Amino acid sequence: NAGVTQTPKFQVLKTGQSMTLQCAQDMNHNSMYWYRQDPGMGLRLIYYSASEGTTDKGEVPNGYNVSRLNKREFSLRLESAAPSQTSVYFCASSKPGTGVSGELFFGEGSRLTVL
Amino acid sequence: AQTVTQSQPEMSVQEAETVTLSCTYDTSENNYYLFWYKQPPSRQMILVIRQEAYKQQNATENRFSVNFQKAAKSFSLKISDSQLGDTAMYFCAFISNFGNEKLTFGTGTRLTIIP
Repeated sequence: NAGVTQTPKFQVLKTGQSMTLQCAQDMNHNSMYWYRQDPGMGLRLIYYSASEGTTDKGEVPNGYNVSRLNKREFSLRLESAAPSQTSVYFCASSKPGTGVSGELFFGEGSRLTVL
Repeated sequence: AQTVTQSQPEMSVQEAETVTLSCTYDTSENNYYLFWYKQPPSRQMILVIRQEAYKQQNATENRFSVNFQKAAKSFSLKISDSQLGDTAMYFCAFISNFGNEKLTFGTGTRLTIIP
């Protein structure tokens, strides 16, 4: 029972490098999310996908791109990493309209450090 | 835009005692959901309890209960008979019931249970 799986768990980048965080869910959920968590800031939404083929900006989208490859997978790409993107990134999924609106299922997080 | 405020960055309590975590929110909507999520040192986000705004009865889950005051836009979490395993970050979160499935989080309260 995998739930939401994100890779890698840890990554160190140099400023200007690019990388992609991968996320997959096996719960047949329609909605998927990318959040970042910073000390004292809580979790802030980067991008959101309500269904396959659609994406929407969240609170802090600058410097990121996303791809909803299919219903299961939602990737987050940093094209040119900056130290301000040092954070813990969480992927999550949910199934709206099923009577449990809003319950998100989270991956274990990915700690990214940009030097 | 909705906002969620947690005014207690850190709290500590002796094991077996009761502790209350505060949360206030701001919204113009009438129908919505509120949540408390727990994040232990493992980083995994775990749903603790959920409250539907249209329900007057406060939600309870074993040792966890909420005090939902809709008019005051307050949503506090009470943990009874606290245990060492309750040590974690606790996040209050809000979601609208109007098809916008984006969860807005507070900044979190770090709770430490002292043996």
